[in-house]
Amino acid sequence: DQQVKQNSPSLSVQEGRISILNCDYTNSMFDYFLWYKKYPAEGPTFLISISSIKDKNEDGRFTVFLNKSAKHLSLHIVPSQPGDSAVYFCAASANSNYQLIWGAGTKLIIKP
Amino acid sequence: SAVISQKPSRDICQRGTSLTIQCQVDSQVTMMFWYRQQPGQSLTLIATANQGSEATYESGFVIDKFPISRPNLTFSTLTVSNMSPEDSSIYLCSAVVVGGYTFGSGTRLTVV
Repeated sequence: DQQVKQNSPSLSVQEGRISILNCDYTNSMFDYFLWYKKYPAEGPTFLISISSIKDKNEDGRFTVFLNKSAKHLSLHIVPSQPGDSAVYFCAASANSNYQLIWGAGTKLIIKP
Repeated sequence: SAVISQKPSRDICQRGTSLTIQCQVDSQVTMMFWYRQQPGQSLTLIATANQGSEATYESGFVIDKFPISRPNLTFSTLTVSNMSPEDSSIYLCSAVVVGGYTFGSGTRLTVV
């Protein structure tokens, strides 16, 4: 049973437009969510996080929105740049447990 | 933030043999994790490796197949034993650091 789901395996967006990556979860005990970016042959790098006490967190071009009632979070990247082309993973943890539960990832392609 | 050096980055191994993957952290960390990512799937936690105690394995993973060492606060190894083609995956180590998590660059294992 997948507790964290990223239903879009890939997404293609024009450079300069907004990229929206979605993530759904099933475990209501999750209280901390993270987005990671991964280039080929590299480990994941941290992008942005949000705790369940907030519904929005912003860092430069990246904004994460959390809808607890829908058990849904999204990552917005605006404006999208060619260097944003990568695989994006959402991950969640529960009750200060350091173990992360991961989604399968969404491959973002930014078209020039 | 802390950096993890993971090696080998990739290997092609014969079935029935074993491969040991190493992760060296450039600072002391208490909690380390080992993940597996099979093709098209999310990162799956194999085990948690804390220095000074036995590794804790997740359901579906056993010590005989994936022995882990954690001799000090900066180093850990994962061995994939008696390999079969089903073990072909990316293996990734991670550590809890101030502000979140850091990851190795991954080991792409192909078993033939």
